[in-house]
Amino acid sequence: GAGVSQSPSNKVTEKGKDVELRCDPISGHTALYWYRQSLGQGLEFLIYFQGNSAPDKSGLPSDRFSAERTGGSVSTLTIQRTQQEDSAVYLCASSSARNEQFFGPGTRLTVL
Amino acid sequence: AQSVTQLGSHVSVSEGALVLLRCNYSSSVPPYLFWYVQYPNQGLQLLLKYTSAATLVKGINGFEAEFKKSETSFHLTKPSAHMSDAAEYFCAVSAPSGGGADGLTFGKGTHLIIQP
Repeated sequence: GAGVSQSPSNKVTEKGKDVELRCDPISGHTALYWYRQSLGQGLEFLIYFQGNSAPDKSGLPSDRFSAERTGGSVSTLTIQRTQQEDSAVYLCASSSARNEQFFGPGTRLTVL
Repeated sequence: AQSVTQLGSHVSVSEGALVLLRCNYSSSVPPYLFWYVQYPNQGLQLLLKYTSAATLVKGINGFEAEFKKSETSFHLTKPSAHMSDAAEYFCAVSAPSGGGADGLTFGKGTHLIIQP
């Protein structure tokens, strides 16, 4: 597709379950970003990939969060043992050398 | 470290009136600045960006913003509001790389309401 796609669009899970969120960046974009949007915290930067490498993982909220990117394309954000405070919209963005970040529609995560 | 302050969580204007959304930034290096718009249940769409070229930046949908270094501001304006402009607007700052390992730092957002 032409834009950044994310799946699922909505995810409802029970507290304590693991979830996996997927991001398909724009073809050819080498940089990929994950953000979290919540009512209390606004838009927070989580992690950045250049190619398959994430140089700094300190933006991830806790050690329950992990992310990977394979083949310089698709990325997955995994949240283990979900908590209610993890409920948010998770946004993915990608960019090329022109530096403009293009955002996907997001995954709305609800932890019951 | 970088930060963004958007003055006014809600701004209400009449259709046809001037839109002014305020953004002030703090950055230890010359920044890149962005305005994004978010419609309900959608992702973020870039309106315009400043990347150290012209200080007056024109974007999509008739919006423009002026970078004022002396005031550390990057306010967003549109001469005449349209009902379709009702949305959430975010100002963002990044290091000159445009994101990199620091990503974008966003303001809290301003909800623009258009009165008929």
